[in-house]
Amino acid sequence: RKEVEQDPGPFNVPEGATVAFNCTYSNSASQSFFWYRQDCRKEPKLLMSVYSSGNEDGRFTAQLNRASQYISLLIRDSKLSDSATYLCALDNDMRFGAGTRLTVKP
Amino acid sequence: NAGVTQTPKFHILKIGQSMTLQCTQDMNHNYMYWYRQDPGMGLKLIYYSVGAGITDKGEVPNGYNVSRSTTEDFPLRLELAAPSQTSVYFCASSYGLGITEAFFGQGTRLTVV
Repeated sequence: RKEVEQDPGPFNVPEGATVAFNCTYSNSASQSFFWYRQDCRKEPKLLMSVYSSGNEDGRFTAQLNRASQYISLLIRDSKLSDSATYLCALDNDMRFGAGTRLTVKP
Repeated sequence: NAGVTQTPKFHILKIGQSMTLQCTQDMNHNYMYWYRQDPGMGLKLIYYSVGAGITDKGEVPNGYNVSRSTTEDFPLRLELAAPSQTSVYFCASSYGLGITEAFFGQGTRLTVV
């Protein structure tokens, strides 16, 4: 099992839709988790940190399930500007998942 | 605020040549990282450093070397470039090892021909 695995995607959703991505991890000792957003041909930038059970920021909700060893990212009321690749990362040595590409269409 | 600065932004290298990708940060971060990202793929950790004078291998270190003589700088050296090293290289830094946000440079697009 890879250390960090993400839904392969791509996810193509209409504006206003709710979409969720999952990220599973193999190291049960991991303590903190991150969701990064990467626009095409740009560097990743932090979207949300997840240190305990979850975190919410506006339309974005990140949740952590330690028992099943996964984190999820929920985006409500999708906007065209949410189109990007979403990467999850673990605390141990900052290894990233392969990313999930989201395209929000009019 | 400069943050993490990488140079060059683009480069074409011939097979067998060597070059150094530069990375500097002005946030006084102890931790620095080098990643490569192939088209449509995620980030692969090449090397990382937890402080000046200390470096360690990541997932894909073969064909690369790094040094960390100062807190600010973390250059990545490619020796005997191969086409398989064609990629986008990102340098990043963070205050703590994985417990805080990582800040990325804008990337270096390297093509080996």
